[in-house]
Formats: sequence, structure tokens, C-alpha cells
Amino acid sequence: NAGVTQTPKFQVLKTGQSMTLQCAQDMNHNSMYWYRQDPGMGLRLIYYSASEGTTDKGEVPNGYNVSRLNKREFSLRLESAAPSQTSVYFCASSETVSNQPQHFGDGTRLSIL
Amino acid sequence: AQSVTQLGSHVSVSEGALVLLRCNYSSSVPPYLFWYVQYPNQGLQLLLKYTTGATLVKGINGFEAEFKKSETSFHLTKPSAHMSDAAEYFCAVSDIGGSYIPTFGRGTSLIVHP
Repeated sequence: NAGVTQTPKFQVLKTGQSMTLQCAQDMNHNSMYWYRQDPGMGLRLIYYSASEGTTDKGEVPNGYNVSRLNKREFSLRLESAAPSQTSVYFCASSETVSNQPQHFGDGTRLSIL
Repeated sequence: AQSVTQLGSHVSVSEGALVLLRCNYSSSVPPYLFWYVQYPNQGLQLLLKYTTGATLVKGINGFEAEFKKSETSFHLTKPSAHMSDAAEYFCAVSDIGGSYIPTFGRGTSLIVHP
């Protein structure tokens, strides 16, 4: 049972390039989330999807877009990467939004030059 | 709105000593409270959670936390630290009846000395 799987694990981009981070869960969870983690800042919510077909902004959505492809998959896209988006990105899932806690993937370490 | 404050970005203890990681929260409604642990290059793993009922919550790896409503605190403790406990610890709070999505603290790095 893999849980939450994120790809890729590492990526280096140049400013202005685009990229999609992939996330898939095999726990039949309804809700999925994208966070970024920066030193000393904890985890900040970028977007979430309460259920298939819905997405909502979190605390720091600017510069990102998301797609809930199906119940299993939730992708995060950077259309024009900026150095300020250098971070570690975590995907998480939960049974529902009201039924926490969340289960996390191992993260994608993204550097933008 | 909910918020979480973790006192001390770094806590250093000797192996075998008591571990105490502090977490205070603010919430306009009764909260759900969580502690997560993050080992290097990994995602967060749930240590324990408080929803309702008993205020002393036991988690994995010998950790426990006590919900004190009067102090708006949810401190994490372990009687005897082990080298393998060295990690980053995050406290999180979510509002019952609100968005439910947890707000995370900034984390406390636990350093364990031999």
C-alpha cells in the first residue's frame, strides 16, 4: 500500500519554465491538498480539493493552478516558475475535509534558478 | 480564525531526558489538535490527535499530549528521549464546524544528544 505518491522527487527549473507536479493516492480518499514548506514557515496550504470535481484556494495560491484529474490524482502546475517558488511541495489526502488527519507524500524538492 | 504557536524553533535534550515541545493555539470554536513528525527527506506522519473526550492523548513512539482548554495548549511530551526521536515536529489545529483544514505551526526541531 503506497499511500500518497509524488513525482518527481527533485526538479530544477529555470525562471519562466512551466512544470506540473503529480500526486496520486490509493486510499480512496475524497480530499486532497497541496502545501509548500519553507524553512521556518511550517506548511502553507496552496490549494485543496474537497472532492472530485472541486478545487479551492488556500493561503498561498498565487502563481499556481491545480487539476483534480480523478478521485486518485491531484496535480499542481507552475505556469511560469519564479525563484520565490523554490520550495518543498507536499501533497496530502484525507478521507474527507471534516475527517482529518491527513496522510502526506514524501515531497517534491523544487529549485528555480 | 485559527492559529498555532510553537515555542522554540529548536529544542535540545540529552538521550534519556524528558522531551517537552510546546504548542499554543487560538481558535474561536472547539478545536481538533494534531502533532505530526517529519524525518529528514520525508513527509509528515501523524503522531497523535485530539478530537473529543479524554484530554490526555497517547500516540506512537511513546509520545503523548494533553489538551488544556484553560491554557489553550497542547504540549507534546515523552518521558525519555531516544536518538531516533531527532526530527521536526509540527503542531496543527483545525476548527470543528469551520473549514476543518488544519493550520500548521512553524515547527520545532528536536535535537537529541548522546
